[in-house]
Amino acid sequence: GQNIDQPTEMTATEGAIVQINCTYQTSGFNGLFWYQQHAGEAPTFLSYNVLDGLEEKGRFSSFLSRSKGYSYLLLKELQMKDSASYLCAVRDDDYKLSFGAGTTVTVRA
Amino acid sequence: DTAVSQTPKYLVTQMGNDKSIKCEQNLGHDTMYWYKQDSKKFLKIMFSYNNKELIINETVPNRFSPKSPDKAHLNLHINSLELGDSAVYFCASSQELAGVTDTQYFGPGTRLTVL
Repeated sequence: GQNIDQPTEMTATEGAIVQINCTYQTSGFNGLFWYQQHAGEAPTFLSYNVLDGLEEKGRFSSFLSRSKGYSYLLLKELQMKDSASYLCAVRDDDYKLSFGAGTTVTVRA
Repeated sequence: DTAVSQTPKYLVTQMGNDKSIKCEQNLGHDTMYWYKQDSKKFLKIMFSYNNKELIINETVPNRFSPKSPDKAHLNLHINSLELGDSAVYFCASSQELAGVTDTQYFGPGTRLTVL
């Protein structure tokens, strides 16, 4: 089966930076996605990596190392509205998306 | 306009009943999915349809039956509901199944509670 690990919870202060790590062991690899999910709402797409390196999108960046089975999502200049669950998801050789359990980020004033 | 919509948003029912959840997308996508998110927040794929054809069918009890009348709709019918079926069910869609940068767009979810 697929194994995707990420920390359960993280807390940070408004304006700070938080890095959410994700490690994976899957049957094949066809891309890694990060989604944001606010409580009681649907997941929304944040970023996609298929090649090694850093992808930057405004305050959010995502990094991938395929050889290490590792990714991170970097959230800069944290805002209160960034308090949410962040889901790491890997697409395998069958093009199925497997999700981690999510990391709940709490931003404090 | 809502891209991916689901009805109902909340569903409370008794064990043993049969219920359906409907999903519609107006994005012109070819592929639609059903996911189950349990109380531990794990999001797990159940089914995927591409152009009305079943592509992914995970190990799901056969009490769950998806139906795709057309490319824009994927409904989920559940027979003989059990307590363990209580969860949030998300519908999603993507342009295609095997696209290089395919992003899945999720509906708002249906919270099913079986009493």
